[in-house]
Amino acid sequence: QVTLRESGPALVKPTQTLTLTCSFSGFALSTTGMCVSWIRQPPGKALEWLARIDWDDDKYYSTSLKTRLTISKDTSKNLVVLTMTNMDPVDTATYYCARGQSPTEPFDIWGQGTKVTVST
Amino acid sequence: DIQMTQSPSSLSASVGDRVTITCRASQSIVHYLNWYQQIPGKAPKLLIYTASNLQSGVPSRFSASGSGTDFTLTISSLQPEDFATYFCQQSYSLYTFGQGTKLEIK
Repeated sequence: QVTLRESGPALVKPTQTLTLTCSFSGFALSTTGMCVSWIRQPPGKALEWLARIDWDDDKYYSTSLKTRLTISKDTSKNLVVLTMTNMDPVDTATYYCARGQSPTEPFDIWGQGTKVTVST
Repeated sequence: DIQMTQSPSSLSASVGDRVTITCRASQSIVHYLNWYQQIPGKAPKLLIYTASNLQSGVPSRFSASGSGTDFTLTISSLQPEDFATYFCQQSYSLYTFGQGTKLEIK
């Protein structure tokens, strides 16, 4: 059974750096084609793709957020980590990680999401 | 970046109705179009992939079609559990989601 689970702080202050962890099981990120992406959703709004890391350690970022994002993986621990710098209240959202079985395939399995609020 | 325009943004319908949601890409995405269903408070769930392929376990009342820039999702006979928000997503060039269609009970 494939599962993903996000974890991280529920509350961060403006200007701080957010670090989120995606712990997964049931698949290997070392498998050719496999990818993990991060997606976020502000309250009541649409989904926004943020970043992707591939089986071969290639990394891709949202054009609008690329200067603030870093994605990395620890294949041996089945973890994918996303950091987002200089957090702002507009970054308040539920953050999801999701699996893709190739770069052009859909996100077939999603984590439950972790809610992050940016506030003083 | 590819933009995805979904319509309508909201839709009221009754159980048993047939509904159609459309999604338009700002350039050709061939058939790399996916549809997700999201129930409030839950993660999105994959319904349809590569324009017209039903994900395993998804009821056959869901269908979809399209290619190039124009795509549709149809629910043939609405059931109570179908009232949710639906998003399209292109996976041709990285990823972009549509703004969503909230399907409400009339």
